[in-house]
Amino acid sequence: QVQLQESGPGLVKPSETLSLTCTVSGGSISGYYWSWIRQPPGKGLEWIGYIYYSGNSKYNPSLKSRVTISVDRSKNQFSLNLSSVTAADTAVYYCARQRFGELSHFDHWGQGTLITVSS
Amino acid sequence: DIVMTQSPDSLAVSLGERATINCKSSQSLLWSSNNKNYLAWYQQKPGQPPQVLIYWASSRESGVPDRFSGSGSGTDFTLTISSLQAEDVAVYYCQHHYTTPFTFGQGTKLEIK
Repeated sequence: QVQLQESGPGLVKPSETLSLTCTVSGGSISGYYWSWIRQPPGKGLEWIGYIYYSGNSKYNPSLKSRVTISVDRSKNQFSLNLSSVTAADTAVYYCARQRFGELSHFDHWGQGTLITVSS
Repeated sequence: DIVMTQSPDSLAVSLGERATINCKSSQSLLWSSNNKNYLAWYQQKPGQPPQVLIYWASSRESGVPDRFSGSGSGTDFTLTISSLQAEDVAVYYCQHHYTTPFTFGQGTKLEIK
């Protein structure tokens, strides 16, 4: 059974860069698209972007200027960097697997990690 | 971006009764090449990540009880719970995966009456 686990700092200061890693266990990162999705407290879901195991990526235009997603196949991990954060970036950040390719639903999710942006 | 609009925002249904949640997209989610609608439904319980219930509008994910069903095509979709159980209390989201950026509906909170 594939499992995903997010890891990151929990608290980030305004204007700094948020960095998160998703570790995939129970299966290979190869052959799939992997996404980051966030959810501000008490609000809905926002797709941030995805990366293919080969390194190709695509981002939500609303965040594109601040987002970088990368993959490390040797560690079975992929990562999110979000620069110049503000309080509006406070959210639970999830990593997820896309089941059937580039245009697919999310069939496995991490438990999520709450990132608070505050000085 | 494709806008996903769910109705109602909240819903209270008696145990054993039917619950129906609607989702409308601002453009068609039907791929003519494969005749599939690129629409998924998720259930999210407090403190948990979303879990997929339905994909391609009507295909039930493995392990999902058969009281959950999805229907619709093009721009109008429905999630139906045929006989509400206590464990179905949750927020339900629709999501399109027709093109990027993927977007979600605002969510429908389902409670017991």
